[in-house]
Amino acid sequence: SQQGEEDPQALSIQEGENATMNCSYKTSINNLQWYRQNSGRGLVHLILIRSNEREKHSGRLRVTLDTSKKSSSLLITASRAADTASYFCATGGNTPLVFGKGTRLSVIA
Amino acid sequence: DSGVTQTPKHLITATGQRVTLRCSPRSGDLSVYWYQQSLDQGLQFLIQYYNGEERAKGNILERFSAQQFPDLHSELNLSSLELGDSALYFCASSYTGGLSEKLFFGSGTQLSVL
Repeated sequence: SQQGEEDPQALSIQEGENATMNCSYKTSINNLQWYRQNSGRGLVHLILIRSNEREKHSGRLRVTLDTSKKSSSLLITASRAADTASYFCATGGNTPLVFGKGTRLSVIA
Repeated sequence: DSGVTQTPKHLITATGQRVTLRCSPRSGDLSVYWYQQSLDQGLQFLIQYYNGEERAKGNILERFSAQQFPDLHSELNLSSLELGDSALYFCASSYTGGLSEKLFFGSGTQLSVL
């Protein structure tokens, strides 16, 4: 299975701190995507990194991809209370996107 | 707002019953995906349609079926419901239906089977 697995399962930080979430997967991919979900609502696409890219930035988000280790990380800098949500990685390859079980991030004001 | 519309938002029914979940994709998107989210299984891919045709099938039970209509809206039919079918069902859409494409998700239908 290509299913990504996020680590940690839950993360609690203070507002202003950085949050790092990791994702590991099992097979070759075309790209890896990160999504955010606010308390049971629909997932929202955050960022996509292609298999030939190593790092990508979007605002306060930084994503890295290491295809040799089959892993990715999502860094959210200067976190805000509004960043409280679950974050999912999804791998794109020869099947529709396969999602991990997510990291639940709590940002405390 | 993603532009993907799902109805109803909540559905409460009894075991053995049949329900239909509806999804309208973003304007211009040709492909629709159905996912099931539960606490123990996470987000599981069920099925994908592209321009009315089934394109990919995932962990969809035989009791479940789906279709995409000429106007591109899609329906997911769940029959002989069991307690374990209680979950959040999401529809997502994309333009070309490419396997690695970015998805736009609806707000989901929360199904409770009592």
